[in-house]
Amino acid sequence: GQQVMQIPQYQHVQEGEDFTTYCNSSTTLSNIQWYKQRPGGHPVFLIQLVKSGEVKKQKRLTFQFGEAKKNSSLHITATQTTDVGTYFCAGHTGTASKLTFGTGTRLQVTL
Amino acid sequence: DTEVTQTPKHLVMGMTNKKSLKCEQHMGHRAMYWYKQKAKKPPELMFVYSYEKLSINESVPSRFSPECPNSSLLNLHLHALQPEDSALYLCASSQPLSDQPQHFGDGTRLSIL
Repeated sequence: GQQVMQIPQYQHVQEGEDFTTYCNSSTTLSNIQWYKQRPGGHPVFLIQLVKSGEVKKQKRLTFQFGEAKKNSSLHITATQTTDVGTYFCAGHTGTASKLTFGTGTRLQVTL
Repeated sequence: DTEVTQTPKHLVMGMTNKKSLKCEQHMGHRAMYWYKQKAKKPPELMFVYSYEKLSINESVPSRFSPECPNSSLLNLHLHALQPEDSALYLCASSQPLSDQPQHFGDGTRLSIL
């Protein structure tokens, strides 16, 4: 079945440092979504990418979708303590309703 | 603030008990989902309802029984659960198209004794 892997599993940064998580799917995706889950919380939708090579920005966050639509990345510039949480990519393939989550990257930010 | 409401927030039950988890949304979404999430793992899809009909069952054991009474409500009936079923159970909703974001509830943290 479809597998979506993320690296790294965990990253600890000092506030102000940059952070990147990479997402790789075993199959071509129709789109990719990114979610953030704070400790003790639930996943919250951040953004969706649909087109091959697409790049989107949200303030300090930059999201990319690979040319082959099998990989994606999330880059955070100048991290803040509010960025703490687990970042999941999630992709759709053939079945419209089925969203497969990546393994997640847990980000810890300290002062 | 969450627009998807789940009750109860916490549930402890024995292996012989029967209980139900409830989920409600008033966003007019016509797809609703149950996910299971273990600690430090991603959410795993269990069931999908689209237009109040079960469209996906990810080979979930029969001790979990979903129900969608109407377009706003989703239940998960639990019976004879095992200790390994202890997890966070998340409900989500969206429009039934693949390009729509899913909105999650806060979840029910379930412990099986």
